[in-house]
Amino acid sequence: NAGVTQTPKFQVLKTGQSMTLQCAQDMNHNSMYWYRQDPGMGLRLIYYSASEGTTDKGEVPNGYNVSRLNKREFSLRLESAAPSQTSVYFCATSRGFTDNSPLHFGNGTRLTVT
Amino acid sequence: QKEVEQNSGPLSVPEGAIASLNCTYSDRGSQSFFWYRQYSGKSPELIMFIYSNGDKEDGRFTAQLNKASQYVSLLIRDSQPSDSATYLCAVIKGATDSWGKLQFGAGTQVVVTP
Repeated sequence: NAGVTQTPKFQVLKTGQSMTLQCAQDMNHNSMYWYRQDPGMGLRLIYYSASEGTTDKGEVPNGYNVSRLNKREFSLRLESAAPSQTSVYFCATSRGFTDNSPLHFGNGTRLTVT
Repeated sequence: QKEVEQNSGPLSVPEGAIASLNCTYSDRGSQSFFWYRQYSGKSPELIMFIYSNGDKEDGRFTAQLNKASQYVSLLIRDSQPSDSATYLCAVIKGATDSWGKLQFGAGTQVVVTP
């Protein structure tokens, strides 16, 4: 039972390159989220998917796109990476969006954009 | 002004003593409050949540909420070296938003010294 699995764990990109961060969960949770964590800033919500088939912007969506591929998988895409996107990215899930269920985080992807 | 403010620390606490962490928030409509623990290089994990004024105890942890003064605190009794981590305060903005859409503080680093 892996919980929330993120790939890759580490990635270095050059400015302008694109990449997709993958997130998969085996918790049968309905809602999935992408957060980024920067020093001194705390975690900030990028995008979320309240349920399969829906996605919505969070606090800092610019420069990102997401795809809820199915109930298990939620990917985050950087189309043209910028140094400001250097961060640790966390995928999280919750059982439901409105049922007061807590977040479960994956282990994170550490991304460096040079 | 950040929406959720925490002292970044580090907060140095002798083993066996009480660690006291504070968090203030700006949205007077916030109703639910969370404390997450994050070990270095790891993902956040939920310790406690509180939504009523007063104290809530869980083992060695006590969360305290004062909505009139807009602060929430976390006490760690009988601190152990394993409590050395960064503690993140998180709130739900507004009265009815999802537990998945959290506003995080930047965290307080706690170091428990033997």
